[in-house]
Amino acid sequence: DVKVTQSSRYLVKRTGEKVFLECVQDMDHENMFWYRQDPGLGLRLIYFSYDVKMKEKGDIPEGYSVSREKKERFSLILESASTNQTSMYLCATKTGLNQPQHFGDGTRLSIL
Amino acid sequence: SQELEQSPQSLIVQEGKNLTINCTSSKTLYGLYWYKQKYGEGLIFLMMLQKGGEEKSHEKITAKLDEKKQQSSLHITASQPSHAGIYLCGADDIMEYGNKLVFGAGTILRVKS
Repeated sequence: DVKVTQSSRYLVKRTGEKVFLECVQDMDHENMFWYRQDPGLGLRLIYFSYDVKMKEKGDIPEGYSVSREKKERFSLILESASTNQTSMYLCATKTGLNQPQHFGDGTRLSIL
Repeated sequence: SQELEQSPQSLIVQEGKNLTINCTSSKTLYGLYWYKQKYGEGLIFLMMLQKGGEEKSHEKITAKLDEKKQQSSLHITASQPSHAGIYLCGADDIMEYGNKLVFGAGTILRVKS
């Protein structure tokens, strides 16, 4: 089974802090994704990566950056956290075309 | 861009009843994925459909893709409280060479025991 591990289930940070969300997968998948999920807005793609050191903007990249130094790890960075970034963050991976994405358990982030 | 519309938005069923959730695409579907999510948790992959007319089953859940590949349905037989959650359909976004998924808004299922 594919295992996608997100570093924290719950996280509380303050406005202006730099926040790191980590995602690690154990299946050697090329593609990794970061989403946020909000009531009424569904799942929205923030960034994705199809290889080490490669990144592509998703639909809502503003206020976020990512890092992929190793194949198994994809980090989401909130450069200066704001209250409107309070959300559920989900990491996903997949191996290639016509394959499903596999998700982690999510991180519920609150910015105070 | 491709859009997925799910219906109904939510439903409440009595335990033991059957139910169907629909997912309709604005464009031809090349890969259709069904996921289940429990509140506050990640998405669990259920099934993937690719061919027109394809049907797959897992325990009491059956998913179908129509011949025209623009609509999929998820059918649960004899629902149980463990089936409760949010069901989402996702499709390969062909505009992005299939590297991205487009998701429906989800269907909230509650099962009354």
